[in-house]
Amino acid sequence: NAGVTQTPKFRILKIGQSMTLQCAQDMNHNYMYWYRQDPGMGLKLIYYSVGAGITDKGEVPNGYNVSRSTTEDFPLRLELAAPSQTSVYFCASSYYEQGTEAFFGQGTRLTVV
Amino acid sequence: GENVEQHPSTLSVQEGDSAVIKCTYSDSASNYFPWYKQELGKGPQLIIDIRSNVGEKKDQRIAVTLNKTAKHFSLHITETQPEDSAVYFCAASSGSNDYKLSFGAGTTVTVRA
Repeated sequence: NAGVTQTPKFRILKIGQSMTLQCAQDMNHNYMYWYRQDPGMGLKLIYYSVGAGITDKGEVPNGYNVSRSTTEDFPLRLELAAPSQTSVYFCASSYYEQGTEAFFGQGTRLTVV
Repeated sequence: GENVEQHPSTLSVQEGDSAVIKCTYSDSASNYFPWYKQELGKGPQLIIDIRSNVGEKKDQRIAVTLNKTAKHFSLHITETQPEDSAVYFCAASSGSNDYKLSFGAGTTVTVRA
């Protein structure tokens, strides 16, 4: 049971480039999330999805896009990368019932130069 | 939206002593308060959570207390061990939506042998 798998683990982008961060979970969770983690700032919710075909903005969605075509996959797209998007990105998933926990992936460290 | 403040930002304790981390939240409608532990190079992992209808919850050496009136909750770790060294995050649900969490900035705990 792999849990939540994120790829790549590390990436360096040039300003203006685009990329997709991949996230897959094999726990049949209906809820999935993307967070970014900046030093001393905790985790900020970028986008989330409550099921295939349904996505919604979190706290810091600008500069990002998501899609959820299957239960398993929730990719995060960065268009026109900017230095402000340098961060560690975490994907998470949960099964929505009261009190359930969110399972996090190992993270993707992205640097925009 | 929900605002979660966490203190202290760093905490150094002698092995065997107790560690206490405190968080405050702003949204009186929040009803779910998880704590996550993040080890170096890994994603956060749930260690304990509490709901608003409970004042205290224990799990072996860790406990969480909640004061809804004052809107603060705390994590207590007793008999600390070197493996407790990590970054700890508190979180609060966004109103009654358990799946949307706002995280504190994190506390780096170091247990000295």
